Amino acid sequence: SQTIHQWPATLVQPVGSPLSLECTVEGTSNPNLYWYRQAAGRGLQLLFYSVGIGQISSEVPQNLSASRPQDRQFILSSKKLLLSDSGFYLCAWSYSLSYEQYFGPGTRLTVT
Amino acid sequence: EDQVTQSPEALRLQEGESSSLNCSYTVSGLRGLFWYRQDPGKGPEFLFTLYSAGEEKEKERLKATLTKKESFLHITAPKPEDSATYLCAVHGSGNTGKLIFGQGTTLQVKP
Repeated sequence: SQTIHQWPATLVQPVGSPLSLECTVEGTSNPNLYWYRQAAGRGLQLLFYSVGIGQISSEVPQNLSASRPQDRQFILSSKKLLLSDSGFYLCAWSYSLSYEQYFGPGTRLTVT
Repeated sequence: EDQVTQSPEALRLQEGESSSLNCSYTVSGLRGLFWYRQDPGKGPEFLFTLYSAGEEKEKERLKATLTKKESFLHITAPKPEDSATYLCAVHGSGNTGKLIFGQGTTLQVKP
């Protein structure tokens, strides 16, 4: 069966510090991978998606970036965090020819 | 522009009191409508995919239906453990890989 992991589970970072969130998927090959952000009381906003290694599409201009160094690894980064980057970050995967997405447990980021 | 609106925002039910959650959507070329359940502090859990008007899917006390403009999530004889936020999302033909989510309906079932 397929499993998706995210870490860390929670993170408190000062403004201006760097960020690295990691997501890995087990039990499948060549998945599509997605990063979402969920602000308090709001819906999910797609940030990035990837259909293969090194292939990243950005949905929202911001100070975040994403990378996919391996087939089942997706990383969300920032060089300098802003207060507005606080939120719940969710990684998701889907089979390459499917629209059903399966979510990880999420990372709660608080920027202070 | 693709859009999803869920109602009500919050719903309180007594255990055993059946009800429905609504998801209205506007999308060009629907490729799928998805229902998720999200518990506080956790990632959304996939429930159903519906592809065409008239389609229905069931899982335990939940039944999802789809028309050309909206979807309903019917909850029959709910239990306290059904308390969660239910999210609706659509995938349209114009957005590769992108799901458009509604704001969700937070359901509370009291014993």
